[in-house]
Amino acid sequence: QQQVKQSPQSLIVQKGGIPIINCAYENTAFDYFPWYQQFPGKGPALLIAIRPDVSEKKEGRFTISFNKSAKQFSLHIMDSQPGDSATYFCAASKKDNAGNMLTFGGGTRLMVKP
Amino acid sequence: NAGVMQNPRHLVRRRGQEARLRCSPMKGHSHVYWYRQLPEEGLKFMVYLQKENIIDESGMPKERFSAEFPKEGPSILRIQQVVRGDSAAYFCASSPRQAEAFFGQGTRLTVV
Repeated sequence: QQQVKQSPQSLIVQKGGIPIINCAYENTAFDYFPWYQQFPGKGPALLIAIRPDVSEKKEGRFTISFNKSAKQFSLHIMDSQPGDSATYFCAASKKDNAGNMLTFGGGTRLMVKP
Repeated sequence: NAGVMQNPRHLVRRRGQEARLRCSPMKGHSHVYWYRQLPEEGLKFMVYLQKENIIDESGMPKERFSAEFPKEGPSILRIQQVVRGDSAAYFCASSPRQAEAFFGQGTRLTVV
């Protein structure tokens, strides 16, 4: 019930390509879906987040698409750059009185080739 | 405004020793979360604390692990009698209530 499944595990694209990372969740009580970017040896950094009342959110080159009925959401990176090479994690939480405890996907290691 | 500060960044302990990991949340943040990341895996929630209170510890192993967030000072994650399987990166995150969580750089624990 608490799982978040992420795919693919790894992804290689050419510079300028549009990598797409997908996540699926089971718990319908989740109502907050952030994406984190992690570089080697660093902590996860919040990239972009969405709530289920919208189907898409765009911030710069990063876009989240959200399908509430399918319980799926995805991250698109437009015009990808070598500096985007990192591990990306989707996550989900219930933003109730309990705060912000995140359930993470397994991560996608992205490599953007020059 | 400094970010979430964790120390030490790297910690080596022999089997059976105790490990103490510290986390100072961002200024104004009263919620602290600890996560564990095993190599090549995602982060797993361990415990959620507010000042002087453990709110949710559903992800904490039942034995050897404890956490606190005292009125003054950093939050502490303590692992007693460490075993090789405790080797991982431990991340702390902080947030104001009902807002995004920001992560520290983590403490990489190696048990030898």
